[in-house]
Amino acid sequence: AQSVTQLDSHVSVSEGTPVLLRCNYSSSYSPSLFWYVQHPNKGLQLLLKYTSAATLVKGINGFEAEFKKSETSFHLTKPSAHMSDAAEYFCVVTEGSGGSYIPTFGRGTSLIVHP
Amino acid sequence: NAGVTQTPKFQVLKTGQSMTLQCAQDMNHNSMYWYRQDPGMGLRLIYYSASEGTTDKGEVPNGYNVSRLNKREFSLRLESAAPSQTSVYFCASSVESGANVLTFGAGSRLTVL
Repeated sequence: AQSVTQLDSHVSVSEGTPVLLRCNYSSSYSPSLFWYVQHPNKGLQLLLKYTSAATLVKGINGFEAEFKKSETSFHLTKPSAHMSDAAEYFCVVTEGSGGSYIPTFGRGTSLIVHP
Repeated sequence: NAGVTQTPKFQVLKTGQSMTLQCAQDMNHNSMYWYRQDPGMGLRLIYYSASEGTTDKGEVPNGYNVSRLNKREFSLRLESAAPSQTSVYFCASSVESGANVLTFGAGSRLTVL
């Protein structure tokens, strides 16, 4: 069965400093991995996705994530935080052929950005 | 482009009342999903429909029923609401199930007193 663990429930950074949101996954099949962002009182929006192409994936708003199979990780990074990045971030896994195609969400990481 | 439309956006119920959350998508997607979001729990899947005419239970189906009325519409029904069903509900759709991007509605905030 697939699962995903977001290692931090809250991350606090200062504006202009790097962002790191950590995600580990478990999957018996070739996984597809996603990051979604949810701004306050809004729906969820796709940031980026990995589907077995390049291991370094670039997304919107300067975010990127690297798929590391040996570490079963898919951490989200951004070189310089902006106030508008303050939001809830979700790591999501689905499995490939033979596994569960249903998206499984992590519990979320709240990113707080200080001026 | 409307995308995924959910109604109502807000609803207050008393324990034991019933209600239906409506969801419609105009993207010709095959798969549709209902999630609930609770603080610290992420999104948990209630029911999904991989294609028109099929529905399956997700992680937390108890107390809910669904209907895939046609390819566009996927409704979620609470037959006898309980305070534990107080939550924010999200409908989502994707081209197919699997490695496809989910498109979400804006959410429906339900309070059960």
